[in-house]
Amino acid sequence: DTGVSQDPRHKITKRGQNVTFRCDPISEHNRLYWYRQTLGQGPEFLTYFQNEAQLEKSRLLSDRFSAERPKGSFSTLEIQRTEQGDSAMYLCASSLGTGTGEQYFGPGTRLTVT
Amino acid sequence: GQQVMQIPQYQHVQEGEDFTTYCNSSTTLSNIQWYKQRPGGHPVFLIQLVKSGEVKKQKRLTFQFGEAKKNSSLHITATQTTDVGTYFCAGLTTDSWGKFQFGAGTQVVVTP
Repeated sequence: DTGVSQDPRHKITKRGQNVTFRCDPISEHNRLYWYRQTLGQGPEFLTYFQNEAQLEKSRLLSDRFSAERPKGSFSTLEIQRTEQGDSAMYLCASSLGTGTGEQYFGPGTRLTVT
Repeated sequence: GQQVMQIPQYQHVQEGEDFTTYCNSSTTLSNIQWYKQRPGGHPVFLIQLVKSGEVKKQKRLTFQFGEAKKNSSLHITATQTTDVGTYFCAGLTTDSWGKFQFGAGTQVVVTP
């Protein structure tokens, strides 16, 4: 399978714990995006990378959320001190080149904070 | 801040009927993308519009970008049960190179 993959697919954690998600984009794709989606809503932008550089991020990533893409390939999204409001589907997407073209989404990681 | 609004939020269609979903932005967009998400699935790219007034067709789907590049529409003719899902628009403002703002989507239910 050469699509975008995400791991784990499901994560249940207790409030206050830290969690880390991984995204493996399509191999030749330079751009990588992270989104969060809750029921009945569209994907909410979190951040994006151009190769290893994090170029833009929402205000959500200024506190407990952090993302990395150290070698310009896979990326990780960490949430520290999880809260119940963090429960959502976390989606990763990748796209080719440096433009703003078609995004290929992964299956997502569903996070449940108890 | 910039917002992308979609209407209607929910669309119930009889098979064979046509319908249109609309996407409106409070600010000018450099481009707009449309995605379809099936129940339990992830968003899948449908189309990208870049030019003012642009119209693109994919079989029974017609996409349009407004002249002012602040709104877009998706029109589906002769709806089929395979059209079930949620349709999202995602707009990119002129001051960003990658921060796509998704609308809340139009959930489409098709009755045979």
